[in-house]
Amino acid sequence: DTAVSQTPKYLVTQMGNDKSIKCEQNLGHDTMYWYKQDSKKFLKIMFSYNNKELIINETVPNRFSPKSPDKAHLNLHINSLELGDSAVYFCASSPHREGGSPLHFGNGTRLTVT
Amino acid sequence: RKEVEQDPGPFNVPEGATVAFNCTYSNSASQSFFWYRQDCRKEPKLLMSVYSSGNEDGRFTAQLNRASQYISLLIRDSKLSDSATYLCVVNTGRRALTFGSGTRLQVQP
Repeated sequence: DTAVSQTPKYLVTQMGNDKSIKCEQNLGHDTMYWYKQDSKKFLKIMFSYNNKELIINETVPNRFSPKSPDKAHLNLHINSLELGDSAVYFCASSPHREGGSPLHFGNGTRLTVT
Repeated sequence: RKEVEQDPGPFNVPEGATVAFNCTYSNSASQSFFWYRQDCRKEPKLLMSVYSSGNEDGRFTAQLNRASQYISLLIRDSKLSDSATYLCVVNTGRRALTFGSGTRLQVQP
């Protein structure tokens, strides 16, 4: 009964390619997030969606495009991958949009761009 | 000043020791505070929420000091399995939770 699941777990690709990461949650939460954890282990918010509506869009290159077909899914598409995109990408969900509730994380997608 | 700051460590302690971590935050209007634990190559997992009056969960005690804008985590009787990175997490008012860079704990036999 995985609560937040994301695929794939590992993604190795070459510079310039386009790739997608999928995320699904079965907790009935309204809000979903994408976080990026770089080589220094710092977790940074990228995007947040509440009931399919984009509510947070940090200063992320527009090569990154999130898509939420419904409130249980939040996918991340990345165009023209660059070496600096190598990181672990975590999907998360929470019951409320205001940031007052803890986050439930997926197990991460380790992206390596060569 | 960073929104959420932690000492990166590592804290190397023997089994059975008591260890404490502090975390400072910059936004005085922050309302929600959490400690997460992250094992190597795993996702962060909620350890405990931090309440205004302080709270305890087994060997773990969390405290909030609003006047000085810091939260703390105390671990008593450290176990080998407590070795991990501990992330301080604060609602900084941007409608998302902001994570500190983490404090690494290594408990040694």
